[in-house]
Amino acid sequence: KQEVTQIPAALSVPEGENLVLNCSFTDSAIYNLQWFRQDPGKGLTSLLLIQSSQREQTSGRLNASLDKSSGRSTLYIAASQPGDSATYLCAVSSGGGADGLTFGKGTHLIIQP
Amino acid sequence: KAGVTQTPRYLIKTRGQQVTLSCSPISGHRSVSWYQQTPGQGLQFLFEYFSETQRNKGNFPGRFSGRQFSNSRSEMNVSTLELGDSALYLCASSLAGGLRTDTQYFGPGTRLTVL
Repeated sequence: KQEVTQIPAALSVPEGENLVLNCSFTDSAIYNLQWFRQDPGKGLTSLLLIQSSQREQTSGRLNASLDKSSGRSTLYIAASQPGDSATYLCAVSSGGGADGLTFGKGTHLIIQP
Repeated sequence: KAGVTQTPRYLIKTRGQQVTLSCSPISGHRSVSWYQQTPGQGLQFLFEYFSETQRNKGNFPGRFSGRQFSNSRSEMNVSTLELGDSALYLCASSLAGGLRTDTQYFGPGTRLTVL
């Protein structure tokens, strides 16, 4: 059974800093990995999707990497802004899709102005 | 292009009742999946539908069921509600490849409270 862990559970940094969020998964037989953000009381917003054959994806100030063999992904946020404050979730698709997306518990990020 | 919409946004029910939630996917999306989010368990996969057929199912009791219509709209039903069913129910839509290949776009969710 796939398990996804995110470290740290919470992070507070001053505005302008670069930061890294970590995600690890136990079964490397994945189809893809996706990073989301969730604002309080809201649904999820997709940030980046990395297919299993890819090593990284970039969108604006965000860069996500994937090391499937070691079961790890990182989300790099450059020049953080207060608007980046949210919970960041990573999710993997595996098990032939039968497991749906398996989510980590998230990293609660606060960017101090 | 309109995003994923879910109705109703909030629901209050009592134990033993049943409830139906609705999800309208992004135009052109044919895969719809459902998730339950609770503070204790986080986000858990319920099921995925594609072309009116259930393609995958998570580990939830049979009280949780769903269906998809020919226009890709989907409904999920929970019968004999229990207190533990209180949660945010999220649906997501994607292109035909679904969970294996495509970005999942989530709706705002339906907040269900069971009293």
